[in-house]
Amino acid sequence: NAGVTQTPKFQVLKTGQSMTLQCAQDMNHEYMSWYRQDPGMGLRLIHYSVGAGITDQGEVPNGYNVSRSTTEDFPLRLLSAAPSQTSVYFCASSSGTGSGNTIYFGEGSWLTVV
Amino acid sequence: GENVEQHPSTLSVQEGDSAVIKCTYSDSASNYFPWYKQELGKRPQLIIDIRSNVGEKKDQRIAVTLNKTAKHFSLHITETQPEDSAVYFCAARKNTGFQKLVFGTGTRLLVSP
Repeated sequence: NAGVTQTPKFQVLKTGQSMTLQCAQDMNHEYMSWYRQDPGMGLRLIHYSVGAGITDQGEVPNGYNVSRSTTEDFPLRLLSAAPSQTSVYFCASSSGTGSGNTIYFGEGSWLTVV
Repeated sequence: GENVEQHPSTLSVQEGDSAVIKCTYSDSASNYFPWYKQELGKRPQLIIDIRSNVGEKKDQRIAVTLNKTAKHFSLHITETQPEDSAVYFCAARKNTGFQKLVFGTGTRLLVSP
């Protein structure tokens, strides 16, 4: 049981390039989400999914796309990277409804856009 | 929407002292309040949480208190140790639909030996 697995761990992109951050979970969790973490700003929700085929926007969705074709996978796509997207990205999953369901985070992906 | 404020942004204590981190939230419908610890270069990890029907919860050296009327909750760490040094995040969430966690901006705790 690996939990939430993110790849790559580190990535440097040039402005305008596109890339996909991969996220997979093996806990059969319904809910998956992507957060970005910037200094002094905590974690902010980018996109989330409540099940396969269903996605929605969080607080800071601009410049990112997601899809959820399977329960296990929730990739985050940067369409045209910008320096403002330099950040640490965390994928997370949880089992579903209920106020106490624990959210599990992946190990993070450090992205630098130059 | 929900807004969570967290104070202080940095906190330095001596080993053995207590540390208190405070958060306020804006949405009275929020009913779940977790605390996460994040060590340098690592993922956030849940250390304790509290639901709105409980005023206080304790787990060994850490405790969380909740004041629903004032809409604030606090993390208390007693007998601090150097390994408690990390960034701590509070968060708030409603139990409606997707559990959208709103995080505070974090507190960097430094415990000096």
